[in-house]
This record gives sequence, C-alpha cells and structure tokens, in this order.
Amino acid sequence: KQEVTQIPAALSVPEGENLVLNCSFTDSAIYNLQWFRQDPGKGLTSLLLIQSSQREQTSGRLNASLDKSSGRSTLYIAASQPGDSATYLCAVGNTDKLIFGTGTRLQVFP
Amino acid sequence: DTAVSQTPKYLVTQMGNDKSIKCEQNLGHDTMYWYKQDSKKFLKIMFSYNNKELIINETVPNRFSPKSPDKAHLNLHINSLELGDSAVYFCASSHYRAKDYEQYFGPGTRLTVT
Repeated sequence: KQEVTQIPAALSVPEGENLVLNCSFTDSAIYNLQWFRQDPGKGLTSLLLIQSSQREQTSGRLNASLDKSSGRSTLYIAASQPGDSATYLCAVGNTDKLIFGTGTRLQVFP
Repeated sequence: DTAVSQTPKYLVTQMGNDKSIKCEQNLGHDTMYWYKQDSKKFLKIMFSYNNKELIINETVPNRFSPKSPDKAHLNLHINSLELGDSAVYFCASSHYRAKDYEQYFGPGTRLTVT
C-alpha cells in the first residue's frame, strides 16, 4: 500500500530564503508525482507535474526533483516571498488516482 | 473560463438529511474524481469515473453515490448524512490514466453536518 509522507510538517522562514520541502513514498512503481499548493479555505493549485521517466521539472522559482528508486521528491523554492505562504502537498500518481502526502505548512514572514 | 467548478461552495445540513454536490469541468477531460479532505487536512480519493463509468470506489460507504450524466459532470449524492461526513469535498478531472496528465481541482465544497 502506497504511503506518502512530507517533512517538515510546518516551516517558518524569513523572506528571501531558499528552501526545500521533502516528500517520500513507499512504493516506487508510480506513474507521476504532482506538487500542489493550497491556500487556507481554498482549492488546490497544481504547481508541477513530474512524469515517472523524468528527474526534475522547473517553473519560475520552483524546481521539483524526483528520485523514484529512493522514493523521494523535493520541491525547491528559491528566494521565498510572503506570497508563497500556503500548504504544499505532494501527490503520487498510482494507476487511476492520486495518493496525497500529509502536507507542509509554509509561512514566509517579511 | 472556470476549469473545474463545484456547487455549492458551502453546505450546512442536519444529520439524516440527503444532499448533493455538483461538479462540472470544461477542460475536455474524460476522467473525473471526488476527493475528501478531513479535519486534519488529509486528502483521500473517494471515486473516479472515466467516460461515465466508475473505475475507482475506495471503500466509501454506500450512502455516497456518485453519478456521471456525461463526461463533463460528476455529481455526488449523500444519503442519511452523519456528523463524520463533515469535510471538504473536492472534485478533480484529468485525461484518462493520470500517467502523463495533471489532475485539476475544483475549489471544494465545505460540508458541515450538525
């Protein structure tokens, strides 16, 4: 049974820092991995999708990497801003569904 | 230009009632999903439909009955609501077999059962 864990559960950093969010999964037989952002009381915004054959994806200040063999993905956020404050969720694509991690709640203070 | 929309956004009801949540997507996707986010913010798949056919039912009580009248719509009907059904319900869509395609989520429906 696939289990997805995210560390840390919460993170508070000053503006301008580069930071790394971690996601680990127990079954390496995945189709893809997707990173989402969720603002309080809002829906999910897709940030990046990494296919199982890819090693990383980049979008603006975000870079996500995938190491299937070790069951890990990282989301790197460069030059963090207060507007980056949100909960970040990773989700592993397995056959016909996404299996979500527990989330990292990020706060970036000015 | 809304991609995945849900109605209502908020739903407050009493135990024992029956309620429905509607979902529509205009992305041309052929697969739609319902996810539940509990009070601890954990998201879990409930159902998925491909071309109006059920492909996933994750041991959800049979009080929950999804209905897909066409590829663009997936509604969720809940009978005999219980306190434990209180949660945020998200609809999502993608192309079939999420291998190479992203899932896009609706804004969620916050259900409160009193």
